[in-house]
Amino acid sequence: QKEVEQDPGPLSVPEGAIVSLNCTYSNSAFQYFMWYRQYSRKGPELLMYTYSSGNKEDGRFTAQVDKSSKYISLFIRDSQPSDSATYLCAIVDKIIFGKGTRLHILP
Amino acid sequence: EAGVTQFPSHSVIEKGQTVTLRCDPISGHDNLYWYRRVMGKEIKFLLHFVKESKQDESGMPNNRFLAERTGGTYSTLKVQPAELEDSGVYFCASSQEASGTEAFFGQGTRLTVV
Repeated sequence: QKEVEQDPGPLSVPEGAIVSLNCTYSNSAFQYFMWYRQYSRKGPELLMYTYSSGNKEDGRFTAQVDKSSKYISLFIRDSQPSDSATYLCAIVDKIIFGKGTRLHILP
Repeated sequence: EAGVTQFPSHSVIEKGQTVTLRCDPISGHDNLYWYRRVMGKEIKFLLHFVKESKQDESGMPNNRFLAERTGGTYSTLKVQPAELEDSGVYFCASSQEASGTEAFFGQGTRLTVV
């Protein structure tokens, strides 16, 4: 079993929709969870990170961790075409990445 | 403030040749990481420097890869001799925190071995 599982997509949604991106992880010992955004031909850019369980909000983005089910989520409200990118979930143990989900926001 | 910079942005070399990738971390960041993404796979950890010391090199694929960080500033990653399976995008990241949270990534070096 991989340490982090993420559906690679692509995921296409209309502008303004709420986007839900998800990952599962295998090791319950992990405490730090991160979401990166990567535009084409660029390096990953840290969006936000959370510690342990709970929610963290930053503008239109909300990160959620459910340690009981080993499930991490990123919600994007009022999605914009500029949000089109690959979103990578990661857990901090030498930063272990998921495969990334390609998201397309349709104007 | 300058971010993490990597050079070159793209390199095409023949199998058996040597390539050296360079990473300049954000000034003041003691922690420097190398990662690699090969086609269709996840970004994988290669190694972690704290200043000039290798903290963790468990992700280095084999002894054809040599990373250095003399003086604790910039780092180089040398592949010698390069093989076809070494093709991919090599990312460098740096952070103040050793935990790896809030790591800033460079734009990556796309290596193609033909």
